[in-house]
Amino acid sequence: DAGITQSPRHKVTETGTPVTLRCHQTENHRYMYWYRQDPGHGLRLIHYSYGVKDTDKGEVSDGYSVSRSKTEDFLLTLESATSSQTSVYFCAISDQRYNEQFFGPGTRLTVL
Amino acid sequence: GQQVMQIPQYQHVQEGEDFTTYCNSSTTLSNIQWYKQRPGGHPVFLIQLVKSGEVKKQKRLTFQFGEAKKNSSLHITATQTTDVGTYFCAGSNTGNQFYFGTGTSLTVIP
Repeated sequence: DAGITQSPRHKVTETGTPVTLRCHQTENHRYMYWYRQDPGHGLRLIHYSYGVKDTDKGEVSDGYSVSRSKTEDFLLTLESATSSQTSVYFCAISDQRYNEQFFGPGTRLTVL
Repeated sequence: GQQVMQIPQYQHVQEGEDFTTYCNSSTTLSNIQWYKQRPGGHPVFLIQLVKSGEVKKQKRLTFQFGEAKKNSSLHITATQTTDVGTYFCAGSNTGNQFYFGTGTSLTVIP
């Protein structure tokens, strides 16, 4: 497996609290992605990054922000968590734009 | 926005039977990828198709990309219990995004 980790792996939080998920890679890949996975929806892209400080929105970006200050780290922040953001979050990396994506182990987030 | 539809959503087969999942896009794709996710795991890349009409094989798995580059299929011959999982297609036309299908969950009955 590619060197990609996510933290925390599980989190339970309350509505209205801020939450930050971290993705860390040791592969020096340029592209990093945040997806959420929900039953019946497959994987949906939240935000992605194509370089340090270069990010863009995906199809379900509302309520989420991201930051990438170093090549190896990509942070996903929920400024004020809502129950609709309860999901499994996957980080992925790829070295080139259309190459295969390597996924992290996922973070299961529950918002009560 | 771009949509990638995948059918069926669920498939139960007896071990040894064949299995096929289909992926259809509302727009022409530049390429398509296939991933497998085991229960409780993360998606793992299987293959990428780029050319119109392309067919690729990996042992018992056959992947096809349609002539119009709007559809794709994954066929597994003689399923085994190790094939259990959810299979996703992911298509891209322009930009940096891949749009994932909703996945087909395969159950193999021994």
